Amino acid sequence: RKEVEQDPGPFNVPEGATVAFNCTYSNSASQSFFWYRQDCRKEPKLLMSVYSSGNEDGRFTAQLNRASQYISLLIRDSKLSDSATYLCVVNIHDYGNNRLAFGKGNQVVVIP
Amino acid sequence: EAGVTQFPSHSVIEKGQTVTLRCDPISGHDNLYWYRRVMGKEIKFLLHFVKESKQDESGMPNNRFLAERTGGTYSTLKVQPAELEDSGVYFCASSQEQGAFYGYTFGSGTRLTVV
Repeated sequence: RKEVEQDPGPFNVPEGATVAFNCTYSNSASQSFFWYRQDCRKEPKLLMSVYSSGNEDGRFTAQLNRASQYISLLIRDSKLSDSATYLCVVNIHDYGNNRLAFGKGNQVVVIP
Repeated sequence: EAGVTQFPSHSVIEKGQTVTLRCDPISGHDNLYWYRRVMGKEIKFLLHFVKESKQDESGMPNNRFLAERTGGTYSTLKVQPAELEDSGVYFCASSQEQGAFYGYTFGSGTRLTVV
């Protein structure tokens, strides 16, 4: 089973609309969760950390459901500049080591 | 503050040749990581340095890959001999703390094509 599962999409979203997607993770001991944004042929950039109580950053809201082991991201009032791939990332703690496990990403295309 | 710098940005080599990728972390970051994305797959962990020591190299695919971080500053990742399946984008990241509680800063990557 993959460490992080994401439905890659693409998600075609009209400008101004709301889009939501989620991912599931397999390691129940994971403690840190993130959403990264990756533009075409660029490096991943941290969008936001995801906290147990849920958190919001402007038009972006992230939620964590530990019982079901899934993480969600909601984008409100989509802008053309939101077109990118959104990567669900989980910190894996193994035998005293830490590494990040990535999903394949949700490709979002905002359409005028 | 300068970010994580990777060199070269692109490399095209023939199967069987050797390639060396370089990563300069953010100054003062003891933790340095290498990740890789091959086409159609998710980004995967390769290894983690703490200063000059290899903390975790569980993601290194085979012994054709050699990573070093002499002096605990920049790191190199050498692929020798390169195979077609080594093609992909190699990302380096660095962080001050080990636990990744705040995420990492990634470099812009080296796009490696083996032909």
